Amino acid sequence: RKEVEQDPGPFNVPEGATVAFNCTYSNSASQSFFWYRQDCRKEPKLLMSVYSSGNEDGRFTAQLNRASQYISLLIRDSKLSDSATYLCVVNNNAGNMLTFGGGTRLMVKP
Amino acid sequence: EPEVTQTPSHQVTQMGQEVILRCVPISNHLYFYWYRQILGQKVEFLVSFYNNEISEKSEIFDDQFSVERPDGSNFTLKIRSTKLEDSAMYFCASSEMGRLGVYGYTFGSGTRLTVV
Repeated sequence: RKEVEQDPGPFNVPEGATVAFNCTYSNSASQSFFWYRQDCRKEPKLLMSVYSSGNEDGRFTAQLNRASQYISLLIRDSKLSDSATYLCVVNNNAGNMLTFGGGTRLMVKP
Repeated sequence: EPEVTQTPSHQVTQMGQEVILRCVPISNHLYFYWYRQILGQKVEFLVSFYNNEISEKSEIFDDQFSVERPDGSNFTLKIRSTKLEDSAMYFCASSEMGRLGVYGYTFGSGTRLTVV
């Protein structure tokens, strides 16, 4: 089983749509969780951290379910500029190593 | 906004040659990392560095790889004898907190290494 697993997509959605991405992780001892965004041939950029209580940043909402080892990202009112690959990222140990999922590609169309 | 700076942006090298990839982390950050991403694949951890020594490394980071902080600002990744399979984008990153907290990392824009 992959450590961090994501549906690779692509998700093709019209502008204004709501889209949800899911991610599962295998290590129940994982401690920190993040969503990163990566544009083509660019570096990953932190989108948001994910907390057990759920957190929201503008159009973006992240949820964590520790019991199911499941992380989600919801994007409301999609913009063309949201087109990118969304990376689910987990810190698996007491150190600082991040484990990345393979990413989910989102394409927002006019 | 503070940045992690990497040079060069693209390096082409012959198989068997040594390469040094350079990074300038964010000035008040204490933890430094190298990751790589082979084209079309996921981002993979190589090594983390704190207090002038390696704190963690992955199986990828074998004897061909080394890291160094030669002065107060640079952080380098050396590959002694490059192989074709070393071709990838190499990302440097830094973080302020030891346990990541809510901030995660800041990544540099990467060095694309092509081994021919």
